[in-house]
Amino acid sequence: EAQVTQNPRYLITVTGKKLTVTCSQNMNHEYMSWYRQDPGLGLRQIYYSMNVEVTDKGDVPEGYKVSRKEKRNFPLILESPSPNQTSLYFCASSSSGTLISLNTEAFFGQGTRLTVV
Amino acid sequence: GQSLEQPSEVTAVEGAIVQINCTYQTSGFYGLSWYQQHDGGAPTFLSYNALDGLEETGRFSSFLSRSDSYGYLLLQELQMKDSASYFCAVALNDYKLSFGAGTTVTVRA
Repeated sequence: EAQVTQNPRYLITVTGKKLTVTCSQNMNHEYMSWYRQDPGLGLRQIYYSMNVEVTDKGDVPEGYKVSRKEKRNFPLILESPSPNQTSLYFCASSSSGTLISLNTEAFFGQGTRLTVV
Repeated sequence: GQSLEQPSEVTAVEGAIVQINCTYQTSGFYGLSWYQQHDGGAPTFLSYNALDGLEETGRFSSFLSRSDSYGYLLLQELQMKDSASYFCAVALNDYKLSFGAGTTVTVRA
């Protein structure tokens, strides 16, 4: 079954304690992306990756890091979490190569609800 | 910055037709997508318009007018399971999607 898997689904942590949210896809997609969703703001892009070892900033990258060492995995790292990073996070992937396939459909993970206290 | 405007809430009865409008002002435009999200779960893809006109997929249709920077999602024969949030999203380039804030659709019996 084609899927994007995020872990953990729920996390409560304290300010300043480094954490990693993992994301893995089994569709051999080249493109992966992280979003955060906050009430009234929709989904905002944090970082994206066009392929292995190729990443770039989205609209709200401050306070986040990513890496893409393998095609299937795209972890999101919060080096020093702060309460304003409390949010619902989604990882997404899609095939690349042509614009149509990229933007026709993105597959989303189930989300990670993060609370920073 | 990017601006995508869509209504925050829509309520309708079962069997009705609902139209969700989306107007946008963005730095780039490759196409307009629509996504559905139930109760904070994973957004799921509904449709994509790169060219002007109407795309129909079952009970859902999506329309785009590039000259007007406007699109809409049309939900026909509403069912209770259609109660969800609906997001429009503009593909700014090959790699970036900018989302609207979402429209909560409530279907009543």
